[in-house]
Amino acid sequence: NAGVTQTPKFRILKIGQSMTLQCTQDMNHNYMYWYRQDPGMGLKLIYYSVGAGITDKGEVPNGYNVSRSTTEDFPLRLELAAPSQTSVYFCASSYSPAGGAYEQYFGPGTRLTVT
Amino acid sequence: AQSVTQLDSHVSVSEGTPVLLRCNYSSSYSPSLFWYVQHPNKGLQLLLKYTSAATLVKGINGFEAEFKKSETSFHLTKPSAHMSDAAEYFCVVSDTMNRDDKIIFGKGTRLHILP
Repeated sequence: NAGVTQTPKFRILKIGQSMTLQCTQDMNHNYMYWYRQDPGMGLKLIYYSVGAGITDKGEVPNGYNVSRSTTEDFPLRLELAAPSQTSVYFCASSYSPAGGAYEQYFGPGTRLTVT
Repeated sequence: AQSVTQLDSHVSVSEGTPVLLRCNYSSSYSPSLFWYVQHPNKGLQLLLKYTSAATLVKGINGFEAEFKKSETSFHLTKPSAHMSDAAEYFCVVSDTMNRDDKIIFGKGTRLHILP
């Protein structure tokens, strides 16, 4: 049981490039989330999904896209990378809405630098 | 609307002395409250959660937190700090009744342990 895995661990992008951050969970969780963490700012929700085929915007969705074709996978796509997207990205999953008191399980993060 | 405030961005304690990390919340309904810990270059790990059962919640590694509705607080404590407790701690609030079901992270408190 690997939990939540993310790849890559680190990436440097040039301005205007695109990339996909991968996230996979093996706990059969229906809810999945993408967050970004900036220094001193806590975590901000980018997108979330309540199940395969269903996604919704979080607090800071601009510049990102997601898809959820399977229960296990929830990739995050960055189009036309900008320096403002330099951050650490965390994927998380939970069995049901985290507001229903089920905790979130987090991946180890992807550290992205855009120069 | 929900909100969460971690009252200290940094806390320093000596090894073997008590730890107090403060968290105040605002919630329209019945909140679920969580504390997560993040060690350097790692993902977030659940320490403990409050879900409207016992107001004193015990977590992993000797941490506990008390839900005080009258004070809208959920402070994290530990009787005796260990060097391995040095990390960033996040207080999280989520409404269990609100259909909007947002999860709000505090900005984090970095705990430093002095030898």
